[in-house]
Amino acid sequence: GQQLNQSPQSMFIQEGEDVSMNCTSSSIFNTWLWYKQEPGEGPVLLIALYKAGELTSNGRLTAQFGITRKDSFLNISASIPSDVGIYFCAGQNYGGSQGNLIFGKGTKLSVKP
Amino acid sequence: GAGVSQSPRYKVAKRGQDVALRCDPISGHVSLFWYQQALGQGPEFLTYFQNEAQLDKSGLPSDRFFAERPEGSVSTLKIQRTQQEDSAVYLCASNNRGHGQPQHFGDGTRLSIL
Repeated sequence: GQQLNQSPQSMFIQEGEDVSMNCTSSSIFNTWLWYKQEPGEGPVLLIALYKAGELTSNGRLTAQFGITRKDSFLNISASIPSDVGIYFCAGQNYGGSQGNLIFGKGTKLSVKP
Repeated sequence: GAGVSQSPRYKVAKRGQDVALRCDPISGHVSLFWYQQALGQGPEFLTYFQNEAQLDKSGLPSDRFFAERPEGSVSTLKIQRTQQEDSAVYLCASNNRGHGQPQHFGDGTRLSIL
């Protein structure tokens, strides 16, 4: 099935460092979302973006919806050990029976205390 | 809690057996989605319900996969004659009607086919 191009695949950083990850698609989306998944759990929504160019923050997290509607990035500032997990981007369209999410392959984040 | 509940959390079956996975969505949520997540991959869409109507089943990988939501709340994903490639985590998500309503995920059922 279709998956978005998400990079980097993994990151090993020191506590306190900033993190940046991004996601690109060959097709446009109406909505971009960022989820975090920890082992044995389902994805948890971090940020949802609804308009091209939109920049949204949630605590130490900031995400942007690209102007072309084909990309998005997520930044995490001043990382802490509990940021460890896999971060997924997801694109979504609406209309008709649409609404399902198209996910990237994830960015695995490891944080050294 | 009031989140999406899935059962069982783990299921081990022998190749060729049938399995049934259950999803209890958040109360009142109109839409329900099933996703399959292979190891090291992002979730991939399987099927979508709005109330009891299955509006999209384009992601179901074969006719061995069948999903139902007869009363518009609980949903069951059934896999017949399981194969080893069916081993994955099966995630259920629900949301309210309306554009922009975020999907809330359950913790999934980890299916292992021996």
